[in-house]
Amino acid sequence: GAVVSQHPSWVICKSGTSVKIECRSLDFQATTMFWYRQFPKQSLMLMATSNEGSKATYEQGVEKDKFLINHASLTLSTLTVTSAHPEDSSFYICSAIRQGADMTQYFGPGTRLLVL
Amino acid sequence: AQSVSQHNHHVILSEAASLELGCNYSYGGTVNLFWYVQYPGQHLQLLLKYFSGDPLVKGIKGFEAEFIKSKFSFNLRKPSVQWSDTAEYFCAVNAEAGNNRKLIWGLGTSLAVNP
Repeated sequence: GAVVSQHPSWVICKSGTSVKIECRSLDFQATTMFWYRQFPKQSLMLMATSNEGSKATYEQGVEKDKFLINHASLTLSTLTVTSAHPEDSSFYICSAIRQGADMTQYFGPGTRLLVL
Repeated sequence: AQSVSQHNHHVILSEAASLELGCNYSYGGTVNLFWYVQYPGQHLQLLLKYFSGDPLVKGIKGFEAEFIKSKFSFNLRKPSVQWSDTAEYFCAVNAEAGNNRKLIWGLGTSLAVNP
């Protein structure tokens, strides 16, 4: 159990376009989801915490107008990279905490974004 | 500020060698501790976790970790590694303050096991 999926697994887009990434908890309900960026050979950088039905909490230095997060249901959170630029190219990973359980985070497989 | 330190950035071992990866954190209160593994091309998976109770925690694939509160440490161990243990290992800590569920991450340790 505790499977998290992400879609798409990779995406290439032109500079200036917007890209939406979905994160789904497949076999559990998640009141809290997290969005991370991971740079090559580096650790995870937390971007924001997403709670179902409320506004996301962004980490310092993360532009909330650029990285729009919507957690509309207990199984789905979306991250939209608006007006993407090449520096937004990265590996985006989501994680989810099972509702009613301990705070263990279960991770999705990640989405590779390349902005040309 | 809270931080997590993993001392070994790159470790190279031969099969059957013993493994110990260090993890130290800086926070004086109650903590929840995790080790995650990321195999090449795969997503992060939970190896083991500590919330309370027996400070020696056993996880999947023969891994264990010991929480030593006085040393602020949560080192990961495996008595005999295999080639398939080649991966990136991350230590993460949650400092229980209010309703904070965020994890503070170490920079990771890259383990290469030679057959």
